[in-house]
Amino acid sequence: DQQVKQNSPSLSVQEGRISILNCDYTNSMFDYFLWYKKYPAEGPTFLISISSIKDKNEDGRFTVFLNKSAKHLSLHIVPSQPGDSAVYFCAATDGAGSYQLTFGKGTKLSVIP
Amino acid sequence: DAGVIQSPRHEVTEMGQEVTLRCKPISGHNSLFWYRQTMMRGLELLIYFNNNVPIDDSGMPEDRFSAKMPNASFSTLKIQPSEPRDSAVYFCASSLASRANVLTFGAGSRLTVL
Repeated sequence: DQQVKQNSPSLSVQEGRISILNCDYTNSMFDYFLWYKKYPAEGPTFLISISSIKDKNEDGRFTVFLNKSAKHLSLHIVPSQPGDSAVYFCAATDGAGSYQLTFGKGTKLSVIP
Repeated sequence: DAGVIQSPRHEVTEMGQEVTLRCKPISGHNSLFWYRQTMMRGLELLIYFNNNVPIDDSGMPEDRFSAKMPNASFSTLKIQPSEPRDSAVYFCASSLASRANVLTFGAGSRLTVL
């Protein structure tokens, strides 16, 4: 049973436009969420996180939104750049200090020049 | 720092053979993780070490898998005997215990068991 779901395996966006990557979770114990980005032949790299006490966290072009009642979060990239083309993983855990991450299967973003 | 270093990057072996994957974490990181990535199951945590001590090995699939961390700068994941269903990408990651879920991953070891 997948507790973290990324229902879109892939997404294509024009350069300069907004990319929206979605993630749903089922476990009510999850209260801290992270996004990782992965380029081919490399390991995932940490991108941004959000605690359940917030509904938004912003870092430059990247913003994560959390809707606790819907058990849904999304990553917005504005404006999208070709270098953003990668696989994005959503991850969830039951505490900001917890090591137990549950990952989604990822969404492959392609930003078209 | 060169980041988390894994070797080998690619390994092709035959069923029944022993496989050893190696990892050098980032200096100063006191938490080390082994993850496995497959198409079916995505990224799964196999084992977690803190200060060289295994804390959580509940993700290790079976007794054929073992992991060690003899010192703060080296860890191994061993599969003996290997089976075709072990084919996957194995990632090592490290972090500071204070930010245990902000992981720095290595580039991974792609294992193919024929």
